[in-house]
Amino acid sequence: AQSVTQLGSHVSVSEGALVLLRCNYSSSVPPYLFWYVQYPNQGLQLLLKYTSAATLVKGINGFEAEFKKSETSFHLTKPSAHMSDAAEYFCAVSDQNGGSQGNLIFGKGTKLSVKP
Amino acid sequence: GAVVSQHPSWVICKSGTSVKIECRSLDFQATTMFWYRQFPKQSLMLMATSNEGSKATYEQGVEKDKFLINHASLTLSTLTVTSAHPEDSSFYICSAGPSWTGTNYGYTFGSGTRLTVV
Repeated sequence: AQSVTQLGSHVSVSEGALVLLRCNYSSSVPPYLFWYVQYPNQGLQLLLKYTSAATLVKGINGFEAEFKKSETSFHLTKPSAHMSDAAEYFCAVSDQNGGSQGNLIFGKGTKLSVKP
Repeated sequence: GAVVSQHPSWVICKSGTSVKIECRSLDFQATTMFWYRQFPKQSLMLMATSNEGSKATYEQGVEKDKFLINHASLTLSTLTVTSAHPEDSSFYICSAGPSWTGTNYGYTFGSGTRLTVV
C-alpha cells in the first residue's frame, strides 16, 4: 500500500531563512506526489506536484520540490521564508494500487511557523 | 481551470438533526468524488468515494448509514450527515478527480465545510 510520512509535525524558521519540509513516500508503483498548503479554516491549495516528468518541480509562491527515487523523498523547499508562509503543509501521494479510484493519501501535515 | 464549489462553508446544527453538504463541479464533469474529513490539527482522512450513478464506497470504520453520499449527476455530489452528534463536528472536504487535462494530472478540491454540532 502507498503511504506518506512527513517528518516533523512542527517546523519553525526565521523570516528570510530556508524552509525545508520533509516528505518520504512508500509506493510499489511510480508515484504521483503532491504538496498542499492549508491556511486556518480554509481548504487546500496545491503548491506543486510530481507526475513522472521533471524531477525538480517548481510551484507557486517560490516553493519547489525534488523527487528522489533513490531516497523515496519529495522534500519541499523555499529559499527564503516569508511571514505569509506560516500555514499547515501536507504531502500526499495518489493511490494507484489495484485499480483503485486514485484518491489522495495524505501525510499528517507539518505546521510551519515563521518568526520575524 | 476546474472548480468545485462546496456549500455551505460552515454550518452549526443541533444534535440529532441532519446536515447536507454539496459539492458541484462548475466547468467539468466529475465522475468520481472523494469525501474527506479533517479533525482539528489532524490530517485529511478519506471517508468515501462516490461514482456517478452508483453506490458510494466507504472506508473502513465510516458508517454508511450515518454519512449518506449521493452522486446522482456528473456535476453534483452530496454528503448528508444524519442524526449529527457533537463528535461529528469536523471539517469536511470534497475532491473531484483524478483527471488528466492534456498533460496536467490533478485533483480539484472544494473549499471545505466546517460542521459544528451543538
